[in-house]
Amino acid sequence: SYELTQPPSVSVSPGHTARISCSGDALPKTFAYWYQQKSGQAPVLVIYEDNKRPSGIPERFSGSNSGTMATLTISGAQVEDEADYYCYSTDTSVELLNWVFGGGTKLTVL
Amino acid sequence: QVQLQASGPGLVKPSETLSLTCTVSGGLITSSSYFWGWIRQTPGKGLEWIGSIYYSGSAYHNPSLKSRITMSVDTSQTQFFLELRSVTAADTAVYYCARLEASPFHFGVLAYYMDVWGRGTTVIVSS
Repeated sequence: SYELTQPPSVSVSPGHTARISCSGDALPKTFAYWYQQKSGQAPVLVIYEDNKRPSGIPERFSGSNSGTMATLTISGAQVEDEADYYCYSTDTSVELLNWVFGGGTKLTVL
Repeated sequence: QVQLQASGPGLVKPSETLSLTCTVSGGLITSSSYFWGWIRQTPGKGLEWIGSIYYSGSAYHNPSLKSRITMSVDTSQTQFFLELRSVTAADTAVYYCARLEASPFHFGVLAYYMDVWGRGTTVIVSS
């Protein structure tokens, strides 16, 4: 089955840049999306269609998708950005439409 | 601002059917712009898309769950529903409902993504 692969954890100091990667064979031809999930809460969309920010999401969040790797970048990470981050994309390996999440990356800001 | 709230039994016995309801408020479930979907989260497998349904009843299902799930919509009550049959302990999870927006076709690929999530409801499968 199709997989999106993320590092289990990333650490960053406050004010520095955090980059979270997501690799998948179909990413050259599919959009990547990113969700932020804080402890005990539902996920929140932070990036859609590779690099677009929903209304209300701070400008420090940005996304890119090149080749088989999508990347979420948090420029000037804040303590409140500490959360789990999940990438999401389309599985093109099956005839029936299917959408999958990456395994998630725990971002620590300290 | 649209809001969603999932509700369910909390505890289900193995081999039985899990039934969940999602109530939508602050927006039209009959909007032509959106699908409505279910996602679950388990400690072992993380987030998993279960399926999505349009107000007309058209639906997409996760291929790995397709044989066990039925989704439906009640537009008069602005609710949509999920049934998951023959549950096992592996179906223990937090279940979320969400609104899904369509992305433009990209290299001929269709994508829907969750732009608004409801609070999840915890389901435990145990005898």
